[in-house]
Amino acid sequence: QVKLQQSGAELVKPGASVKLSCKTSGYTFSTSYMSWFKQIPGQSIEWIGMIYAGDGGTGYNQKFKGKATLTVDTSSSTAYMDLSSLTTEDSAVYFCARMTGTGASYWFAYWGQGTLVTVSS
Amino acid sequence: EIVLTQSPTTMAASPGEKVTLTCRASSSVSYMHWYQQRSGASPKLWIYETSKLASGVPNRFSGSGSGTSYSLTINSMETEDAATYYCQQGSSYPPTFGAGTKLELK
Repeated sequence: QVKLQQSGAELVKPGASVKLSCKTSGYTFSTSYMSWFKQIPGQSIEWIGMIYAGDGGTGYNQKFKGKATLTVDTSSSTAYMDLSSLTTEDSAVYFCARMTGTGASYWFAYWGQGTLVTVSS
Repeated sequence: EIVLTQSPTTMAASPGEKVTLTCRASSSVSYMHWYQQRSGASPKLWIYETSKLASGVPNRFSGSGSGTSYSLTINSMETEDAATYYCQQGSSYPPTFGAGTKLELK
């Protein structure tokens, strides 16, 4: 079955960077799209961006350009997200999710369990 | 970007009651997708392409709509349905989510 296993919680200092991982199994990673999301507890879900594992091509939400960098390692079927210059506003739960769609619309059928990032001095 | 407005923000329903959640888009979209999220858990795909139930979703749930107006209906509320439901559009870039409807058990 499809599984997305995310890395553990992070406590980071303001100004630092953090790299989150999302290890996948149960499907062909190299021909799929992965998206990342931000959710502050009690709030809605924001789409950060997506990456096509086949060639590393990316697309970002304008709001997160310069904040997030998405990469993949096809040898280990793992997706990564780097978050830079962290502030307290970046404290949130971050999810990865496999993107599925038809061309007319895209949705997210499989999600990781989330990684809590806390930015605090 | 397309803004999705969900209503109500919060509601409570009794077991057996019929429940309808709505989602309005600021521009027309081809389809709407819905997710269920319980506290402390990741979102689960619930309904996709407006009316198709995701795997394992009970058939008391249904989805409908077109253009800018969509809805999720529970034919008969059950205890396990208490959760937050989000609508999501993937027709226009970037994908966006509504603010959610928190459904509680009365």
